[in-house]
Amino acid sequence: SQQGEEDPQALSIQEGENATMNCSYKTSINNLQWYRQNSGRGLVHLILIRSNEREKHSGRLRVTLDTSKKSSSLLITASRAADTASYFCATDPGYYGSGNTGKLIFGQGTTLQVKP
Amino acid sequence: ETGVTQSPTHLIKTRGQQVTLRCSSQSGHNTVSWYQQALGQGPQFIFQYYREEENGRGNFPPRFSGLQFPNYSSELNVNALELDDSALYLCASSFWTGATEAFFGQGTRLTVV
Repeated sequence: SQQGEEDPQALSIQEGENATMNCSYKTSINNLQWYRQNSGRGLVHLILIRSNEREKHSGRLRVTLDTSKKSSSLLITASRAADTASYFCATDPGYYGSGNTGKLIFGQGTTLQVKP
Repeated sequence: ETGVTQSPTHLIKTRGQQVTLRCSSQSGHNTVSWYQQALGQGPQFIFQYYREEENGRGNFPPRFSGLQFPNYSSELNVNALELDDSALYLCASSFWTGATEAFFGQGTRLTVV
């Protein structure tokens, strides 16, 4: 079963605009990761945020985490046509509350289309 | 490219048959996890192998089984295929079970008819 929901399921924007995707999860986590998937192929790791962090940046990506609400958001600024893909959040439940397990629980994903 | 290779890329099987999917992990990685991704869904964890031993399993029946070899490559075997087994099967390798990043292969698209 999936860990949680992602919102929206689909997003269509113009190049240069910002894209925001949200993810909710159900159980306690050790970390939360975001992945990108192009055309139903392999997933590419984008960014990881640990359960004790609230915000993280990587290039044009900004991730926030609110463990009290069990939710996270991914912001892609100044989007490009090449950002068109599906984006998934994935949580690692941790081992006895600490340490990673590598057994990721994925959301259902947001499909992003960036129009040139 | 992640250095994780999966074979074959596409496969068509008949209901009731058996299938073996293969994954060659990235050099230096001793942990391989397998995921099933149905169309329009997120990947679901099947099981993980660490140093040739199964190290955790998701909610999949025993007809899904696996192996990891001394070179840390891995196989996923599915017996008695059902139509619902049609999906993209992804393997992911990492340096160890506690690594913070998994490197995914391009997947095997399995169609059961």
